[in-house]
Amino acid sequence: AQSVTQLGSHVSVSEGALVLLRCNYSSSVPPYLFWYVQYPNQGLQLLLKYTSAATLVKGINGFEAEFKKSETSFHLTKPSAHMRDAAEYFCAVSGWNFNKFYFGSGTKLNVKP
Amino acid sequence: ETGVTQSPTHLIKTRGQQVTLRCSSQSGHNTVSWYQQALGQGPQFIFQYYREEENGRGNFPPRFSGLQFPNYSSELNVNALELDDSALYLCASSLGETTGTDTQYFGPGTRLTVL
Repeated sequence: AQSVTQLGSHVSVSEGALVLLRCNYSSSVPPYLFWYVQYPNQGLQLLLKYTSAATLVKGINGFEAEFKKSETSFHLTKPSAHMRDAAEYFCAVSGWNFNKFYFGSGTKLNVKP
Repeated sequence: ETGVTQSPTHLIKTRGQQVTLRCSSQSGHNTVSWYQQALGQGPQFIFQYYREEENGRGNFPPRFSGLQFPNYSSELNVNALELDDSALYLCASSLGETTGTDTQYFGPGTRLTVL
């Protein structure tokens, strides 16, 4: 069985501060992990994905995530938040032979000026 | 802009009715997946079609069904609507047969309200 848990449904940071969004996964097979962002009234957009290559994955808009097997985590970070980063972020898990995709419940990021 | 479009944008139905939602995938993408996103929750996987055949399904009852057409369009049909079916329905297209590794490109969704 596969699932992801996102800790914190709402995160608020000041502009220029570090962004840390937490994701822990559960998987019976080596996982493939994804972070998607959803802006208001728009579809989900892929930020980055881990598919068993490098454990530190760099994505778009300055985001990156590190796969830590020992901690079953795939936290999303960005060194310096920008106002345009305000959105909802979803972690998701799948597997190499899986035709199913499991999303977490999402974390809304608020960026204060 | 992902190239994935959905129609209609909003829809209101009453309990017991049937509804058809439509999706136009990105050209060349052989896989389409459908998701239900209830308010305040993450998307829940409904099912996936690859070259017009269903090849993956989540925990949704048979009254949720789909079709995929050769022209990269697809439909989600829901029969006997229930109040809990009120949600944002998302479709996503991807290139390969296995969604597990592919990047999915999402449409903006159809907001269904069941009264």
